[in-house]
Amino acid sequence: AQSVTQPDIHITVSEGASLELRCNYSYGATPYLFWYVQSPGQGLQLLLKYFSGDTLVQGIKGFEAEFKRSQSSFNLRKPSVHWSDAAEYFCAVGLMEYGNKLVFGAGTILRVKS
Amino acid sequence: NAGVTQTPKFQVLKTGQSMTLQCAQDMNHNSMYWYRQDPGMGLRLIYYSASEGTTDKGEVPNGYNVSRLNKREFSLRLESAAPSQTSVYFCASSAPGTYNEQFFGPGTRLTVL
Repeated sequence: AQSVTQPDIHITVSEGASLELRCNYSYGATPYLFWYVQSPGQGLQLLLKYFSGDTLVQGIKGFEAEFKRSQSSFNLRKPSVHWSDAAEYFCAVGLMEYGNKLVFGAGTILRVKS
Repeated sequence: NAGVTQTPKFQVLKTGQSMTLQCAQDMNHNSMYWYRQDPGMGLRLIYYSASEGTTDKGEVPNGYNVSRLNKREFSLRLESAAPSQTSVYFCASSAPGTYNEQFFGPGTRLTVL
């Protein structure tokens, strides 16, 4: 079955440290890929997206993600984390074959230590 | 632009009661979605509407009904609420030709006692 896996439920990093959040998917075709962020009590905000072309994409708030076809991965990175980055992060995958739908991972909760 | 709006923000129901969650978007998007969010499970699609006049089941449709009232509005109805429907509900919308990039509302936190 098609799935999106975020292996880390919680991650804690120190302010100023680098961050990498992992996302793997199990679709055979090349999907279109998204990372969303959810602050406590809020809706989801799009951080970045990949459809085609350059496999390293830049997003808002200093985040970037790299699509690796060979590893079926789309990991989210930030060189230096700020306390305001504490939130829950969701990877989402869509496929043209499945119409107007996205499948979300279970999410990774990021805690930032000062 | 307000984007995607949802009402109410919070709701407490007793088992067996019914209610309708409202969603509206002012971005002229064709497609609209209802998700539920439960801890550790991400967002799961309940129903979606690819365009005005059409609705389709998602991953977890049981116990819910939807109405695409017009292009702007997409409501979710719980006919007989159950404690298992305690969740946070999100509405989203997307435009054609955007690879299904979805915009989300602020959510409705529903508790069923």
